[in-house]
Amino acid sequence: AQTVTQSQPEMSVQEAETVTLSCTYDTSESDYYLFWYKQPPSRQMILVIRQEAYKQQNATENRFSVNFQKAAKSFSLKISDSQLGDAAMYFCAYRRKQGGSEKLVFGKGTKLTVNP
Amino acid sequence: NAGVTQTPKFQVLKTGQSMTLQCAQDMNHNSMYWYRQDPGMGLRLIYYSASEGTTDKGEVPNGYNVSRLNKREFSLRLESAAPSQTSVYFCASRPSIEGYTFGSGTRLTVV
Repeated sequence: AQTVTQSQPEMSVQEAETVTLSCTYDTSESDYYLFWYKQPPSRQMILVIRQEAYKQQNATENRFSVNFQKAAKSFSLKISDSQLGDAAMYFCAYRRKQGGSEKLVFGKGTKLTVNP
Repeated sequence: NAGVTQTPKFQVLKTGQSMTLQCAQDMNHNSMYWYRQDPGMGLRLIYYSASEGTTDKGEVPNGYNVSRLNKREFSLRLESAAPSQTSVYFCASRPSIEGYTFGSGTRLTVV
C-alpha cells in the first residue's frame, strides 16, 4: 500500500522569508500524481499544487513550487515570500494514475506558522 | 456556486444515536469519497464510490455505512455513534482525471 510521510509536524517562518515543507512517499507505481493541499483555520481543503510523476519539470504556482525527486520519492513544497495568509496545515497527498476511483492518500500534515 | 455541499456543518450526538451525513456535488463527477480528519492523523478514507451504484471500503470503514443514491449524492451513516467517531468529516468528488473537490466538512462530536 502507498504511504505518505511528512516528517515535520510543525514549521515556522518569518513573513517574506522562504520555507520548505518535506514529504516522502512509498509506491511501486511508475506513474502517479502528487499534491499539496492547504487547510486554513476555515477547514476548507484547498489544492495548492500538483505534479504528474512522468513530468520531470517541477510544478510552479506563483509563490509555490515543488522539488520533485522521483528516484528518492521525495516531493517538497517551497513557499517563497511567505505571507500571513499562508499560515495553515499543509498536507501532501498521493494518487495512483490508473483507475477511475483511485483514492488520495494523505500524509499527517505540517502546521505552518508565519511570524510577522 | 458549483462544488461539493455537505450538511450539517456541526453536529453533537449522544453515544448510541444514529445520524446521516449528506453530501451532494453538482459537477457531474463519477467518483465520490468520505474522509475523516483527526488531529495528527491527516485525512483517512472511510468509503468511496467509483460510480453510481458502487461503493467500496477505505482505510477505516468500521462503524459506518454509505449510500450512493445517485450520481450527485453520497451519504455517510453512523448507525450507533461512539466517542471514537468524534472527528471532522469531509466529502470529496473527482472527475475522471485528478482534481479532487472537497466539501467544507462536518464537525461531529459524540458525547
